[in-house]
Amino acid sequence: SAVISQKPSRDICQRGTSLTIQCQVDSQVTMMFWYRQQPGQSLTLIATANQGSEATYESGFVIDKFPISRPNLTFSTLTVSNMSPEDSSIYLCSGEDGQGGYTFGSGTRLTVV
Amino acid sequence: AQKITQTQPGMFVQEKEAVTLDCTYDTSDQSYGLFWYKQPSSGEMIFLIYQGSYDEQNATEGRYSLNFQKARKSANLVISASQLGDSAMYFCAMREGQGGKLIFGQGTELSVKP
Repeated sequence: SAVISQKPSRDICQRGTSLTIQCQVDSQVTMMFWYRQQPGQSLTLIATANQGSEATYESGFVIDKFPISRPNLTFSTLTVSNMSPEDSSIYLCSGEDGQGGYTFGSGTRLTVV
Repeated sequence: AQKITQTQPGMFVQEKEAVTLDCTYDTSDQSYGLFWYKQPSSGEMIFLIYQGSYDEQNATEGRYSLNFQKARKSANLVISASQLGDSAMYFCAMREGQGGKLIFGQGTELSVKP
């Protein structure tokens, strides 16, 4: 199955700044997904990233706050913009390999101070 | 809309014993997939086992088995011979159709006691 490298693994950021998280896949994946996991909570889908088109956002998430890029089938980025302490979470990317399997990156543990 | 429910926020099990983690789901689709993931304190998501809605046999992967009861819409994870390293959060997830997004349950925190 595919292996996803996610960077950074953790960061501490000042409120009002932005952080870009990168996910690199070692093989092509059809769909990529970005999740947020708030402390003590489950994973909530932020958006689905398709190559060559705008990401599809879930209810409660907007492009201005979480812009996503997907320039090719092996790479995607998520930016958390104008951060506040409420954005402190684990952010995870996931890829679907076209055969029903889902692989996850190792996660980015974000703390906003 | 699809929904996944895990009703056990926390579970304890003695080392070497078996444990069952509950998961129920709701969907109007005929084609769907059910997944279980393990999340240790490091935060990574580790795939454990998969069950397709059309699979007639219950899935098994080593010490993990999935008790799939389609009529009851349940997909419980059974871990046999628990080990200390099994202590983690466990999430049940569902995919509707093919290649769609995964929706996760609330999770169950499993603690294995020596």
